[in-house]
Amino acid sequence: EVQLLESGGGLVQPGGSLRLSCEASGFTFSDYAMSWVRRAPGKGLEWISLVFNGGTGTYYANSVMGRFTISRDNSKNTLYLQMNSLRADDTAVYYCAKEEGWDFTNYYMDAWGKGTTVIVSS
Amino acid sequence: QSVLTQPPSVSGAPGQRVTISCTGSSSNIGAGDDVHWYHQLPGTAPKLLIYGNINRPSGVPDRFSASKSGTSASLAITGLQAEDEADYYCQSYDNRLSGFVFGTGTKVTVL
Repeated sequence: EVQLLESGGGLVQPGGSLRLSCEASGFTFSDYAMSWVRRAPGKGLEWISLVFNGGTGTYYANSVMGRFTISRDNSKNTLYLQMNSLRADDTAVYYCAKEEGWDFTNYYMDAWGKGTTVIVSS
Repeated sequence: QSVLTQPPSVSGAPGQRVTISCTGSSSNIGAGDDVHWYHQLPGTAPKLLIYGNINRPSGVPDRFSASKSGTSASLAITGLQAEDEADYYCQSYDNRLSGFVFGTGTKVTVL
């Protein structure tokens, strides 16, 4: 059974940093691209970043470009999201998701973690 | 703000059929990329409902179906049940943004 477990969320001041982790199990982690998706209070889902299975190719939403960095350690079956220069509008539940599909632009997220909450506030 | 537009809410009585539209543009749905659908029950993680425009993962009831045409897609739920109350999202890739996009989301209410 595929399992994804996020951790690292918490309360941080504006301008601060936080690193989220997502431990994966139940599948060959190194074979799949992974994404981070967030949902802010009262808002919908927002895709924010993807990393290909080898870790060398990454994509970001404009809203986090230059502030967030996605990475992975395939030896530890773990996905990361380094979040810097945090703002109040980064407050959200952050989910990691396993990507599936035969072609990058047609990827879909077939497994999700339960999420970790990030609150940016002074 | 999302580039895929959905109605904020739809509702129906148990047993009825409801549909949710997802309107995009030539840089996403209209560019030929697949549309996928997810739902999120209150307090839970999102779950994949439909992938590749029309395909249901194993375990998803056949009450859920979807289609795509031009720059739009739609999700239909037939035989509406109380457990279908959730937020529903379409998702595709946008080549102008060079990234994935979700729809604005639709809250389904069972009357």
